[in-house]
Amino acid sequence: QKEVEQNSGPLSVPEGAIASLNCTYSDRGSQSFFWYRQYSGKSPELIMSIYSNGDKEDGRFTAQLNKASQYVSLLIRDSQPSDSATYLCAVKSNSGYALNFGKGTSLLVTP
Amino acid sequence: DTGVSQNPRHKITKRGQNVTFRCDPISEHNRLYWYRQTLGQGPEFLTYFQNEAQLEKSRLLSDRFSAERPKGSFSTLEIQRTEQGDSAMYLCASSPLGRSPYQPQHFGDGTRLSIL
Repeated sequence: QKEVEQNSGPLSVPEGAIASLNCTYSDRGSQSFFWYRQYSGKSPELIMSIYSNGDKEDGRFTAQLNKASQYVSLLIRDSQPSDSATYLCAVKSNSGYALNFGKGTSLLVTP
Repeated sequence: DTGVSQNPRHKITKRGQNVTFRCDPISEHNRLYWYRQTLGQGPEFLTYFQNEAQLEKSRLLSDRFSAERPKGSFSTLEIQRTEQGDSAMYLCASSPLGRSPYQPQHFGDGTRLSIL
């Protein structure tokens, strides 16, 4: 069973703070890693992808990958109330085509 | 790029009825995926098409579920003899067929199925 684990939260941070979201995965053959944002009642929206160890920055978002520890994280700087959503970690292995999703972490940014 | 389109957005039906959903992927996206999502869970993979070929099916996809992509463009997902447990959001995603294995999947707005 290829598992992706996330803390379900809710994670509450004040506006302007850094939100840190974490994800671990069990399949060492995993190649590519994605973070999706999902607002209530809406579909997942891709916000970051990362494939190599280290950090990848895009605007206020930074994805971090450590394949040795089987760990991927998402940092959101200067958090805004509009960032309040569920963040889904998705992992693709080097076999098959499916994305394996975690259950998601609920983030609440308070004004 | 008009995004992935799914119809209908909502479907309410009685237990035992058949339902069919449609997905139109982003144009020129050769890869098409179906997922199912229930409340509080992440999406679960159901099946994958590359052009018209169905290349992967999850064990979640019981005999009552069938998916097609006859001309390699739009896809349909049919559920026969619906059960209460089929109530979920059915999501379609697509991605381009590039040489890179890292192509991200883009999701449609989903079809929410409610079984009475």
